[in-house]
Amino acid sequence: QKEVEQNSGPLSVPEGAIASLNCTYSDRGSQSFFWYRQYSGKSPELIMSIYSNGDKEDGRFTAQLNKASQYVSLLIRDSQPSDSATYLCAVQSNTGNQFYFGTGTSLTVIP
Amino acid sequence: GAGVSQSPSNKVTEKGKDVELRCDPISGHTALYWYRQSLGQGLEFLIYFQGNSAPDKSGLPSDRFSAERTGGSVSTLTIQRTQQEDSAVYLCASSPRGLAGDTGELFFGEGSRLTVL
Repeated sequence: QKEVEQNSGPLSVPEGAIASLNCTYSDRGSQSFFWYRQYSGKSPELIMSIYSNGDKEDGRFTAQLNKASQYVSLLIRDSQPSDSATYLCAVQSNTGNQFYFGTGTSLTVIP
Repeated sequence: GAGVSQSPSNKVTEKGKDVELRCDPISGHTALYWYRQSLGQGLEFLIYFQGNSAPDKSGLPSDRFSAERTGGSVSTLTIQRTQQEDSAVYLCASSPRGLAGDTGELFFGEGSRLTVL
């Protein structure tokens, strides 16, 4: 079983719609969770971090965490073509020494 | 520099040759990570440095891979006797782990693309 699992997609949504990205993790002791965006040919960049159960909103992005279900999600409201990228879910190990990444979900926003 | 710097950006080598990849982290960042990303794949953890020490090198795929960090700054990843399956983008990231302002964010370099013919 992989440490972090994501649906690889591809996920296509029309411009203006809500994109929903999901992630599950196996280390129940993990405390820190991150979403990175990676444009084709570029390096990952952090867009959201979440540490507590519930929702965290930042502009058009909302991260949701449910530690009991070991589930993290990212919602992108009013999706824009510029949101088209691969979204990587990352989980920090309970020792803090490692960050486990999922394989990423490819998102395409259709104008 | 302002960001994480990696060199070379592209490296093409022949099978069996040794290669060295360099990472210059953000100044003051205590932690440094190496990841490998193959085409269409996620990030595969290789090694983590805290200062000059490597408390976790569990991700190094074989004894052909080694890494060091000197002066709490620059790190070099060395791959000996390269194989075709080593072809990938090697990403370096740094963070101010353990310092004020540590949010867990990793700051990535642009990567070194390695092609083994």
